[in-house]
Amino acid sequence: GESVGLHLPTLSVQEGDNSIINCAYSNSASDYFIWYKQESGKGPQFIIDIRSNMDKRQGQRVTVLLNKTVKHLSLQIAATQPGDSAVYFCAELYNQGGKLIFGQGTELSVKP
Amino acid sequence: EAGVVQSPRYKIIEKKQPVAFWCNPISGHNTLYWYLQNLGQGPELLIRYENEEAVDDSQLPKDRFSAERLKGVDSTLKIQPAELGDSAVYLCASGSTSVETQYFGPGTRLLVL
Repeated sequence: GESVGLHLPTLSVQEGDNSIINCAYSNSASDYFIWYKQESGKGPQFIIDIRSNMDKRQGQRVTVLLNKTVKHLSLQIAATQPGDSAVYFCAELYNQGGKLIFGQGTELSVKP
Repeated sequence: EAGVVQSPRYKIIEKKQPVAFWCNPISGHNTLYWYLQNLGQGPELLIRYENEEAVDDSQLPKDRFSAERLKGVDSTLKIQPAELGDSAVYLCASGSTSVETQYFGPGTRLLVL
């Protein structure tokens, strides 16, 4: 079936470096995408979203890029901090049925 | 503003026993979701409520799982009987309008022995 997946299960970066987390989606009809951050023992927390009519969206220290040609989504975190350590999920919204489909998750580890 | 509240936070039971989870959504949110999250995986929708109506329960294993949201506010999710494979985190989320905006609770971690 349709799925949203992540290329790498773990990512380790040095504090202060930039982080890039990637995600591939398979449903070309999806028109809305979200990145979530999930810390241990907590529920997913919204980070940033993007609609399919956009290629790029920036937030505070985070940027999401959408490449619809290759169905690829990425999350860039600038100047990564220890507090950014968590599991990051991308999710896509199926227009039909209005259901969020989550990917597997990438664990980001920030080394001081 | 209080977030989504779930209880218990942790539950350990033996297989074949029943178990129930409770969720109190953010005040004013008419949409409520229950998700299942296995270790290292993203959440998977079990059921979605609009007020007291279950509008999507296609992924809920109805032979052992049940849910209710009687007054359109709090909700309970029940498993009877529990199986080993039910060990997971059960997340509740709520939203006010669009399915795009969902606020998650901390989850209930279930361990079935």
